Amino acid sequence: AQRVTQPEKLLSVFKGAPVELKCNYSYSGSPELFWYVQYSRQRLQLLLRHISRESIKGFTADLNKGETSFHLKKPFAQEEDSAMYYCALSGTASKLTFGTGTRLQVML
Amino acid sequence: DAGVIQSPRHEVTEMGQEVTLRCKPISGHDYLFWYRQTMMRGLELLIYFNNNVPIDDSGMPEDRFSAKMPNASFSTLKIQPSEPRDSAVYFCASSPKRIFGTEAFFGQGTRLTVV
Repeated sequence: AQRVTQPEKLLSVFKGAPVELKCNYSYSGSPELFWYVQYSRQRLQLLLRHISRESIKGFTADLNKGETSFHLKKPFAQEEDSAMYYCALSGTASKLTFGTGTRLQVML
Repeated sequence: DAGVIQSPRHEVTEMGQEVTLRCKPISGHDYLFWYRQTMMRGLELLIYFNNNVPIDDSGMPEDRFSAKMPNASFSTLKIQPSEPRDSAVYFCASSPKRIFGTEAFFGQGTRLTVV
């Protein structure tokens, strides 16, 4: 079975503060992990994928197989980062499973 | 391409009525996913298809829910009879043949309210 856990429903930070959105997964094979974001009144869209090892809008995420984690980080939060963030895992037979999501609220 | 298209955008229905949600995936995509979004459970995978064939429907809550994909350009999710606890936003997503790191593209969702 594959499972994604996001322990925080809401994360509030001040503008300019560091952000870390937590994601842990459970999967016996080689995981394929993603972060998706949903801005207000917009579609859910891909933010980044672990194989690309890229930084998008200042966000990065590193796969830690030992801790089975894929936390999303940004050194300095911006107001426009306020959104709903979902961690996702593609596993057996390309089944795409999401966590429960974390709402990031950036305060001025 | 206009992306994944879902209809209707909003649906309000009375308990006991049949509800049909529709999805048109991006042309050429092999995979189609149906999700339900609620505050408590986040994004739950209900069912997904590969080349129009259902692969995993273990997330379908009960027999009241059914999904079909009669061809590569159309899928439906039906709830019969509907209940108030079915109220949620339902998303459809599609993706190309899945190689490592393939992105899924989402529709704008259907907000269902059962009263």
